[in-house]
Amino acid sequence: DAGVTQSPTHLIKTRGQQVTLRCSPKSGHDTVSWYQQALGQGPQFIFQYYEEEERQRGNFPDRFSGHQFPNYSSELNVNALLLGDSALYLCASSSVPGTANYNEQFFGPGTRLTVL
Amino acid sequence: GDSVTQMEGPVTLSEEAFLTINCTYTATGYPSLFWYVQYPGEGLQLLLKATKADDKGSNKGFEATYRKETTSFHLEKGSVQVSDSAVYFCALSRGTYKYIFGTGTRLKVLA
Repeated sequence: DAGVTQSPTHLIKTRGQQVTLRCSPKSGHDTVSWYQQALGQGPQFIFQYYEEEERQRGNFPDRFSGHQFPNYSSELNVNALLLGDSALYLCASSSVPGTANYNEQFFGPGTRLTVL
Repeated sequence: GDSVTQMEGPVTLSEEAFLTINCTYTATGYPSLFWYVQYPGEGLQLLLKATKADDKGSNKGFEATYRKETTSFHLEKGSVQVSDSAVYFCALSRGTYKYIFGTGTRLKVLA
């Protein structure tokens, strides 16, 4: 059973560019959350997708947007990249309430984004 | 709003020493509490969790007890190994929604 997978592993972009990161949830999970982890910091919640809609959003600008597909996979898009967007982007998946461990999020290995 | 505070690191211990990493939280109600571990170059792995007051989570020799009266969830291990060297994150959540993480505590265990 594959866990949460993310692609690409590493990415280098320049300021002003746009980037798309991808995530496939753990089998049986239908909810995907995205986090930004700056160097030396804890992960910060960006947003969560469920049933192809954004269910909750953290304190991030509109440059950060996402999408969830019918197969539950998800994309994170960041427009007009800034130097401060350099971070590890983590995807986490979880299951619906009523299922075992529904409040437990499983994290992928992350995508390391460097903005030059 | 909800928040998590962890002791600052790095924490450096000799092999077989006793480990305590402090974590306190601010939240209304009864959030679920978690400890995650991050090894170099990797994502987060769930270490243990507790979902209600006085619950004790345990895994791989690590333990933490959900203390409502002191709003704490301190991580302990009786005898650390070099392989335990990593960054440890305390987190809280409500239901299926976002996790709120502490800033992490780096542990280095020397042989």
